Amino acid sequence: AQSVTQLGSHVSVSEGALVLLRCNYSSSVPPYLFWYVQYPNQGLQLLLKYTSAATLVKGINGFEAEFKKSETSFHLTKPSAHMRDAAEYFCAVSDSNAGKSTFGDGTTLTVKP
Amino acid sequence: DAGITQSPRHKVTETGTPVTLRCHQTENHRYMYWYRQDPGHGLRLIHYSYGVKDTDKGEVSDGYSVSRSKTEDFLLTLESATSSQTSVYFCAISEPSYNEQFFGPGTRLTVL
Repeated sequence: AQSVTQLGSHVSVSEGALVLLRCNYSSSVPPYLFWYVQYPNQGLQLLLKYTSAATLVKGINGFEAEFKKSETSFHLTKPSAHMRDAAEYFCAVSDSNAGKSTFGDGTTLTVKP
Repeated sequence: DAGITQSPRHKVTETGTPVTLRCHQTENHRYMYWYRQDPGHGLRLIHYSYGVKDTDKGEVSDGYSVSRSKTEDFLLTLESATSSQTSVYFCAISEPSYNEQFFGPGTRLTVL
């Protein structure tokens, strides 16, 4: 069984500040891990993914995430927030062969000017 | 964007009526999924398909059925819509060689 916990349903940062969105996972097999972003009235888009290669994964729009097996975490960071980063972010975990993903409940990121 | 369309994009219906949502892809991906998105619940898997005529239930399948007679189309049917099925429905596709999913634009369904 796999599960994902996103800590904090809402995160608010000032423009230019560090963004940190937290995700912890549970999986019985080595996981695939993903971060997706959803802008208002749109579907989800892949931000980045971990597939057992490098533990530090770089994604689009300046985001990156670090896989920490000992902490079962896959937190998403961005050094400097921009207004366009305001969106909802979802962490997801997938078994390596099954195809299905389990999604967290999402974190809404607000960026203040 | 991946070639995924959903129809209709918006629908308002009444309790007890049947509703069918369509997902169409032009990517020839083998796997297809239907999710519903509700505030505070993230995305929850309704049904999924690993190929033509190969479908299975997800975590919230009660009240829903699906069909996949062609690789490109995945239909979600609410046999008798209820107000609890008011939601935004997303279709997604993927390939077994990688697990990331590509999402459609969503269908906003309101059941009165």
